[in-house]
Amino acid sequence: AQKVTQAQTEISVVEKEDVTLDCVYETRDTTYYLFWYKQPPSGELVFLIRRNSFDEQNEISGRYSWNFQKSTSSFNFTITASQVVDSAVYFCALLYRGYQKVTFGTGTKLQVIP
Amino acid sequence: ETGVTQTPRHLVMGMTNKKSLKCEQHLGHNAMYWYKQSAKKPLELMFVYNFKEQTENNSVPSRFSPECPNSSHLFLHLHTLQPEDSALYLCASSQPGTGGEETQYFGPGTRLLVL
Repeated sequence: AQKVTQAQTEISVVEKEDVTLDCVYETRDTTYYLFWYKQPPSGELVFLIRRNSFDEQNEISGRYSWNFQKSTSSFNFTITASQVVDSAVYFCALLYRGYQKVTFGTGTKLQVIP
Repeated sequence: ETGVTQTPRHLVMGMTNKKSLKCEQHLGHNAMYWYKQSAKKPLELMFVYNFKEQTENNSVPSRFSPECPNSSHLFLHLHTLQPEDSALYLCASSQPGTGGEETQYFGPGTRLLVL
């Protein structure tokens, strides 16, 4: 069975601080994809990144970076120098290759205080 | 229009009303999805359509009736809903079977309140 755990329910940081959102997943499949989505108050889920299970290379995109570690089944997301616009709920998700049923975590609500 | 659009953005209905939610994707995808997002609960997949055919119904009550007339449009017809059906309904689309391009792209959602 697939499972995605986001243990941090809510995080508050002061603007310009760095913050890491944790994601731990469980899967018995060897080929899978991991995702992060951002959900601002408006409601839309915005796709941020996809990682496939064969690629453990970390990725950086501007102030965002992702650390994928298969050994610990984790796919953590770091925001550097956080900004108020980063305030949102962030979801980690898992998908088996060839399937369409995405398993989402329960989300981490990030509040960036000016 | 680009991406995935949904109308209406907000909807208030009584338990005896009939209404429909509409989703349209402009990404050329062939799979479309309905999700329900309730407070304090994970996103729940409701229905999956591939090339206009329903391929998954995740034990959704019959008061929710999906319709997919073509690969770009998806509807969710609502009738005799219950207050516990109040939620954010999200539509998504993806391009299946492309060996890794199954990323689902979401619309802005319809916030539904059932009185």
